[in-house]
Order: sequence, then structure tokens, then C-alpha cells
Amino acid sequence: DADVTQTPRNRITKTGKRIMLECSQTKGHDRMYWYRQDPGLGLRLIYYSFDVKDINKGEISDGYSVSRQAQAKFSLSLESAIPNQTALYFCATSEPTGTGSYNEQFFGPGTRLTVL
Amino acid sequence: ELKVEQNPLFLSMQEGKNYTIYCNYSTTSDRLYWYRQDPGKSLESLFVLLSNGAVKQEGRLMASLDTKARLSTLHITAAVHDLSATYFCAVEGGATNKLIFGTGTLLAVQP
Repeated sequence: DADVTQTPRNRITKTGKRIMLECSQTKGHDRMYWYRQDPGLGLRLIYYSFDVKDINKGEISDGYSVSRQAQAKFSLSLESAIPNQTALYFCATSEPTGTGSYNEQFFGPGTRLTVL
Repeated sequence: ELKVEQNPLFLSMQEGKNYTIYCNYSTTSDRLYWYRQDPGKSLESLFVLLSNGAVKQEGRLMASLDTKARLSTLHITAAVHDLSATYFCAVEGGATNKLIFGTGTLLAVQP
């Protein structure tokens, strides 16, 4: 079974609709992230969470909100979807530990979102 | 602000040839990651480079890091079609260890 899962995998919605993307992980990591990927722009960080009580904005958080329901679950919401939020969305986890640790991130399979 | 640039953005090469992808970054860091993404798929971790002069090799791919030049390279030796994918570098920076990704290099290996 995959360590990081995302649901749904594909979603088509209409402008103005509220939509939630969900991410679950079995890696036991404290840190979770949401990214969006657009052609030619790489991955850009939307929000990140270092534990259940810690939520931080990334570089492109406008129009998005998140909820960290448990260590293993991190959801991304679009309150009122707009067409330029059409993108591929990835969830990731990491667990840097100890002196000299590093922040290798492990990615879910992605959610392809289309806003009409 | 940490910025990461990759070049080339697109690389078409013949099987059997060698080539290098470059990743430049703008501020001090000694943590750099390479990922591979197949079309429509997730990102798979390839290499973790943690110090100046670090070199990692896996099959036909070799990655290196020069922190003084703020440069990492991903060298492809005797390319095969199975290496066709998009390759991303990501640099770890700041107090929160966030990763900043390059825009990716789309590699197409032609028979």
C-alpha cells in the first residue's frame, strides 16, 4: 500500500464551487505539505504543517485553506474555485530528525483538478 | 529569497549519448535533492546531496553538489529511453527547511 495517498485522483468542478482535497499518510511523519504544479512553473508550496497545531502559509496560499485533522491527515480546500486553480496538486510528507538531519520529502500520487 | 534555476528546460537526446542537467541556486544551502517525475505520475526521490563535493550515482545517473558555486549537476551517461522523464532539483533553505523547486527539465531520449 502507498505511504502517501490522495483523494480524489481526478476532479472536475465548476467556478464558485467549494472543493476539498484530502491527503493521508502512514509514514508517521509530522510534517506535511501541499503543492501545486503548473506546466513550466515547477512545484509551488501552498501550505505546510509541522504538527497538528502548526499551520503555515506557503508562497501561493491565497484562495486556499487547510486543515490538519490528525498527524496522518492534511486537507486542502478551495472555498470558491476559479479556473486558474486548475492544476495538479501534490501532498508530501517529511520527518527531519536530529543534528544534521535533512528534509527529504515523499510525495503522494497527485490530484488533477479542473475548474470550468 | 531562495531561487532555483534549472537548464535546459527541455532536452532531446539520442540513446547512447551523454548529457548534463544544471541546477543553480541563489543563496547558501548544503542540502539539495533530485526528483524524477514520469508523465502523469508523482515525484520519486533520486538523490539527496548533503555537503559540498557530494557525489551520488545510481545506474546511468550521477549527481554532484558544489555549494561554493551554488550548483548541482545531474549527469546522464549513455542515455536509454527509460530515462525519459521530467527531472527536478530542489534546494532546502531557511529556518523551516522548506524545499524550493526548480522548474524541471523534460528529458526525451530518442531511439
